[in-house]
Amino acid sequence: SQQGEEDPQALSIQEGENATMNCSYKTSINNLQWYRQNSGRGLVHLILIRSNEREKHSGRLRVTLDTSKKSSSLLITASRAADTASYFCAPKVSGGYNKLIFGAGTRLAVHP
Amino acid sequence: EAQVTQNPRYLITVTGKKLTVTCSQNMNHEYMSWYRQDPGLGLRQIYYSMNVEVTDKGDVPEGYKVSRKEKRNFPLILESPSPNQTSLYFCASSLSPHSTEAFFGQGTRLTVV
Repeated sequence: SQQGEEDPQALSIQEGENATMNCSYKTSINNLQWYRQNSGRGLVHLILIRSNEREKHSGRLRVTLDTSKKSSSLLITASRAADTASYFCAPKVSGGYNKLIFGAGTRLAVHP
Repeated sequence: EAQVTQNPRYLITVTGKKLTVTCSQNMNHEYMSWYRQDPGLGLRQIYYSMNVEVTDKGDVPEGYKVSRKEKRNFPLILESPSPNQTSLYFCASSLSPHSTEAFFGQGTRLTVV
């Protein structure tokens, strides 16, 4: 399975601190996407990193990808209470249709 | 506003009573899919559709049906709901089967008693 597995399962930090979440997967991928889910609501696409990229930035988000280790990390800098959510990685298999496989996610709590 | 709309948002029903959860997108997307989300299991794909009149099973299709008569709509049908179908359901769409970004609805929380 190309399921992304996020680590840690839960993370609790103070506002202003950085939050790092990790993702591991099992097969070769075309790209890897990160999504955010606010409590009980729909997922929102955050950022995509392609297999030939090693690092990508979007605002306070930084994503890295190591295809040799089949792993990715999402860093949120200067976190805010509004970043409190669950974060999912979704690896996409090369050539496959848009079937996104999600793990159980990382629950991030940012305390004021 | 570009969006995926699911209805209802919340539903409590009894075992065996047929129900339909609607999903509509206004982005002219070809690809649509349904997921269920259960604690500790992440999101699992139920069915997907690559275009009008083209549907196929995902990872957990048992007990569900779908149809795609129009491009914008992709209803999820539970002919005879059972308690193990109590879950949070999401509809998602993307421009094409190979598109990178998926757009999700707000979810439907279903309880079957």
